[in-house]
Order: sequence, then C-alpha cells, then structure tokens
Amino acid sequence: GAVVSQHPSRVICKSGTSVKIECRSLDFQATTMFWYRQFPKQSLMLMATSNEGSKATYEQGVEKDKFLINHASLTLSTLTVTSAHPEDSSFYICSAGGSGSRPGELFFGEGSRLTVL
Amino acid sequence: SQKIEQNSEALNIQEGKTATLTCNYTNYSPAYLQWYRQDPGRGPVFLLLIRENEKEKRKERLKVTFDTTLKQSLFHITASQPADSATYLCALGSGGYQKVTFGTGTKLQVIP
Repeated sequence: GAVVSQHPSRVICKSGTSVKIECRSLDFQATTMFWYRQFPKQSLMLMATSNEGSKATYEQGVEKDKFLINHASLTLSTLTVTSAHPEDSSFYICSAGGSGSRPGELFFGEGSRLTVL
Repeated sequence: SQKIEQNSEALNIQEGKTATLTCNYTNYSPAYLQWYRQDPGRGPVFLLLIRENEKEKRKERLKVTFDTTLKQSLFHITASQPADSATYLCALGSGGYQKVTFGTGTKLQVIP
C-alpha cells in the first residue's frame, strides 16, 4: 500500500511553545489529508480536513487558531499546535487519500506523540 | 447524534479459533464501512471496505458482513494467530468518500 510518513514520532515541549508535525505522502499525491487526535483508550477524533492549496476545514469544537494546518503541496501537510498546554498532550495522526488510493481507502501515518510539560 | 459502538471490553480467544468483532451504529446512514487494525503507539492500518449494497467481503482470513437493516457489521478472523492481537477499529463513511468516523475499537488478544 501507499506510504504516509509522520515526523516527529515523539515530541516533548514546554507549555506555551509551538510544535509542528509533518505528514508526507511518500509515493502518491495526496489531494486530501486528515488530522486526528487520539487520547488513551479512545477513538480517533477527526480534527480537520486539509485540501491542497486551500484552507483547512475544521470539525466543530476544534480551534483553528490553535491548530494551524497548512497543505502547501500534494505531498505535505503540517499541523502546528500553537501555545501548547498540557491538555494538548495526545497522539496526533494524519491520513491521506488521493490518486494513489482506491475510493474510501485511507493511508495513515505512524502518529506523533505530543507531551506538553 | 451519530453513535458507533464497538465492544469496549477486550476479546480473548484461543489460537486457531475464529474471532468475531461487532460494530453497531445509530443515527447514521453510511455509504460504506471500513475496518482497521491499530497496534499500540501506531497509526491504523486499513484492512477492508464494504459498501452499503454489499452483504459480505472477504480477504484471506478476514470476512466482513454489513447489515444496514440491523445497522451492524461483523468482522471475522478465521484461524486466528497471536500475531492478530491488536485493536480493531470500524469506521463509517458517507458523502465525501474519505472522511470517516471511527468507533472506539475492540482489543483482540489471541492466546497461544
């Protein structure tokens, strides 16, 4: 299957700092990427949908000024957690679909574990 | 509101037996349903997709059924192996074909 790479896999930061997470589709063009957050023993909650070259669509309750998403190319989307606080500590996962995938098939990154001290 | 329920309790089965996991949903009319496998600390891996007009789908040792009347999908792993131990997530989608909503997942433990 197609490969989606996420970086970094783990990050620890101080409260108040900003953290950027990258999501890359390595062998296909991802016209759409999705960002999820997963708390321990809970399901993946969709945060936003990002389309290449346009503004992201955020789910209800997700602050767009806090979670900045940029999808500047067909292979890269970034999520920046601004002014991070301990409650932002979570497992962030991206997924991608596009020309390399069958309809309904999503490819997920390995996830990024964020710990805010 | 939409609700997707999977058995939150872990499922323990003996190696070689068939594991059956359940996904029930309410207030939803999905165009398709997916099953994913997730290992601890990793992202989900796509396994199977079944559309609303399909009753059953198979892939190697995996079988998925989809009953839109009962609003339920069953996920079967035959001849289960310890390597099948993981959390299995169902996800429902409609409209925009890549935007899905996930269930909470069921943890499967296959005992040697």
